[in-house]
Amino acid sequence: GIQVEQSPPDLILQEGANSTLRCNFSDSVNNLQWFHQNPWGQLINLFYIPSGTKQNGRLSATTVATERYSLLYISSSQTTDSGVYFCASSGAGSYQLTFGKGTKLSVIP
Amino acid sequence: SAVISQKPSRDICQRGTSLTIQCQVDSQVTMMFWYRQQPGQSLTLIATANQGSEATYESGFVIDKFPISRPNLTFSTLTVSNMSPEDSSIYLCSASTGALDGAFFGQGTRLTVV
Repeated sequence: GIQVEQSPPDLILQEGANSTLRCNFSDSVNNLQWFHQNPWGQLINLFYIPSGTKQNGRLSATTVATERYSLLYISSSQTTDSGVYFCASSGAGSYQLTFGKGTKLSVIP
Repeated sequence: SAVISQKPSRDICQRGTSLTIQCQVDSQVTMMFWYRQQPGQSLTLIATANQGSEATYESGFVIDKFPISRPNLTFSTLTVSNMSPEDSSIYLCSASTGALDGAFFGQGTRLTVV
């Protein structure tokens, strides 16, 4: 099946800083999503982005499908951005998601 | 998009017992899935819940341990049977319409087995 790798595994930021999270995937995908898991365990949809670029407020994401990677940008980080960010994808013809191991982000005041 | 309600949100159970988790979607969806997240780990797919037929299980998961029902296009249950402390995890329900908005998740069930 498809392999998903995320980097970095851990990231500590000062409030107000910017960051870039990376997701590499091993094969062609028909689905690529970014999620934020809050401290209570809830998984929040950030982006559905199998290709192209999207922006939502301080967050944006870009997927370059031909080069098999996706980037999540967080600008002007806030303490509420803390948590684990997951990238997940599914291969062609499939809707079952394979998750990366996540990036644990800690934003300190 | 779809709104997914999952219950219970958390439970503490005795070893050897079973717990059934319910997942309700606010609209008809093509696909429903169950995932497990062990402490400090990522999410792993348990099975695809098929409407009107037996679920499709991933390697390492079996029907006797994780029986799944899906009687219609908006509802599914996952039972964790004969629980042991190793079953302590967050269990998440997911749904997808197959449309261009991806998969959505319930708020999860945090299970602790003592």
